Order: sequence, then C-alpha cells, then structure tokens
Amino acid sequence: GQNIDQPTEMTATEGAIVQINCTYQTSGFNGLFWYQQHAGEAPTFLSYNVLDGLEEKGRFSSFLSRSKGYSYLLLKELQMKDSASYLCAVSELTGGGNKLTFGTGTQLKVEL
Amino acid sequence: DTEVTQTPKHLVMGMTNKKSLKCEQHMGHRAMYWYKQKAKKPPELMFVYSYEKLSINESVPSRFSPECPNSSLLNLHLHALQPEDSALYLCASIGTGGYTFGSGTRLTVV
Repeated sequence: GQNIDQPTEMTATEGAIVQINCTYQTSGFNGLFWYQQHAGEAPTFLSYNVLDGLEEKGRFSSFLSRSKGYSYLLLKELQMKDSASYLCAVSELTGGGNKLTFGTGTQLKVEL
Repeated sequence: DTEVTQTPKHLVMGMTNKKSLKCEQHMGHRAMYWYKQKAKKPPELMFVYSYEKLSINESVPSRFSPECPNSSLLNLHLHALQPEDSALYLCASIGTGGYTFGSGTRLTVV
C-alpha cells in the first residue's frame, strides 16, 4: 500500500509563488505525477518526475527526492484560473502492472 | 489521436437498471484503468487491464463488472447500483508519455 500526504487547503495571492508539498511511502516506485483538477472536470497532467531533481515547465515546476519520499509542485506568477485542486499521484510497479495512486489533493485558492 | 474518449458524459440510472460505461483509446496503450471519484475526494483505483486481461481489482463490488473486448476498448457494466455509487467515473490508459485520462462519466444513481 501507499501513504501519500498533501496539505488539504492553501491560499495564495495573484502574482505570487506557491509551493505544494507531497510526501509518500511506497515500494516499486515508478514515477510521481502532478495533476490539476477543476471542479467537475477530469484531472489534467501537469508534470512527471522519475529521477531526483527539478523539472520546469513554464510557470510550473516539480521537484522530486526519492530518498526522502518527497515532492513539491511550484506555481509561479499565480493567476485566478490556477484556483483548483492539485493532486500528487505515485506510480508503482506491481505484479499486476503499473498502478497510479492519488494523494488526498490540495485545494488551492488564488485571491486578488 | 492522443485522447481517451469516454461515453456517455452524463448518466442517470435507477437502482434496478443495467447500463454500461465505455472508454476508447487509439494510442496503442496496452494498460487501461477505471477510477471512481466522489466529490472533494481524489480518484480511487477500481480496475486495471493489462494486455486485455484484468490484472488488478481493488476489491470492487460485483455490481461493477469490467470488460476489455480489445486493446482499444474498455467497458464498465453497471447493475443494481446504490445511490452511494453516484460519482465521476474516469478511464485512463498508460503509454510512454504517462497516464492519459478521459473526461469522465458523471453517474447519478436514483
């Protein structure tokens, strides 16, 4: 099984930077994903880390430390449309194949 | 084609009805997934099909019956559901680019 923990809620100001942390415990680690999900919609892929380090993609960056079981998603130049739920998800290689398990999600509210 | 297509987008069914959810992808992905997502909760894995064979069943009640007729299609047959089964049902597939999710079926059981 897996434990994937994220803060439940965060609030930030438009134009600012916010960091959403995720810690996990798993065996058979096969990559960590970040998704954005607006209410009533499907998750949208943001980033993927399988090796330690930082992956940058426009306003979004994600960091992974496998030894610490830790990742974060960094959002820069926040916009009102970034208000959404952010899901950390860990892929695990099992006897049944790849299995993606989601964390509890972080509800981000961007304010003026 | 880089999408996972789910139909229908919305479904309302009675507790005695039989219905099916459909998922289709033409990316050549050989693993496909069903997830269930309740409001304000993360998606929860239900089933994994790998090379058209059921490889993971997360102790899902038998009123949910998955089927994988071929490498591009994944169905979820529903029978005698309960109101608490109302949720967003998401299909996903995995390839070299990672997991791709469909837009989901919003199911309401009345």
